[in-house]
Amino acid sequence: QSVLTQPPSVSGAPGQRVTISCTGSRSNIGAGYDVHWYQRLPRAAPKLLIYANNNRPSGVPDRFSGSKSGTSASLAITGLQAEDEGVYYCQSYDSTLSGSRLFGGGTKVTVL
Amino acid sequence: QLQLQESGPGLVKPSETLSLSCAVSGGSISTSTYSWGWIRRPPGKGLEWIGSIFYSGSTHFNPSLKSRVTISVDPSKNQFSLKLISMTAADTAMYYCAREYYYGSGNFGGLEYWSQGTLVSVSS
Repeated sequence: QSVLTQPPSVSGAPGQRVTISCTGSRSNIGAGYDVHWYQRLPRAAPKLLIYANNNRPSGVPDRFSGSKSGTSASLAITGLQAEDEGVYYCQSYDSTLSGSRLFGGGTKVTVL
Repeated sequence: QLQLQESGPGLVKPSETLSLSCAVSGGSISTSTYSWGWIRRPPGKGLEWIGSIFYSGSTHFNPSLKSRVTISVDPSKNQFSLKLISMTAADTAMYYCAREYYYGSGNFGGLEYWSQGTLVSVSS
């Protein structure tokens, strides 16, 4: 059971918009810690998709966006493409865990 | 372009120690701007952060693994290493090393570069 809760799966047709939630608590996201998002495509290493809540590293398409509010964060994918199919993870930090990095359980995105 | 490459055994016997190294190329490990970490993904499960180290030697560990983990850095070889003792089947996983940006004042910018990963199986 992850401290950061994500839905196990979301799906959408090509071109649609999907969102993935990441729910934490007052000791992690709610304490003001940044949330980062990673994309793991099949047979590939994870890739940083969004850092510090809503920033895209160079090369990440603007179809991907992040937001944070209260004890939760969200990743949105607009204009869903077949190549977006994979597993997405949120990551943050927790004041009760001595500098530990926390990952959400991961959300499988399926393009219908 | 920064690259990270792990090396180590793909098979470890139960109760033995896993030793992995991560060689960094295309950049120096000797900077306070980055932290260097280990992450794993058991088969069919999600990512689990193991721990990280600054080149100064300062470390952070996952509390659930802290008693079994050692992470060290060798600036002369531009690499860092992981040791995990008392391995069991539950430690079977893909192991990754990664670089994490450090803003300062305890704030980090995400794991921005990852290795391809190495599969470690625990079996007699």
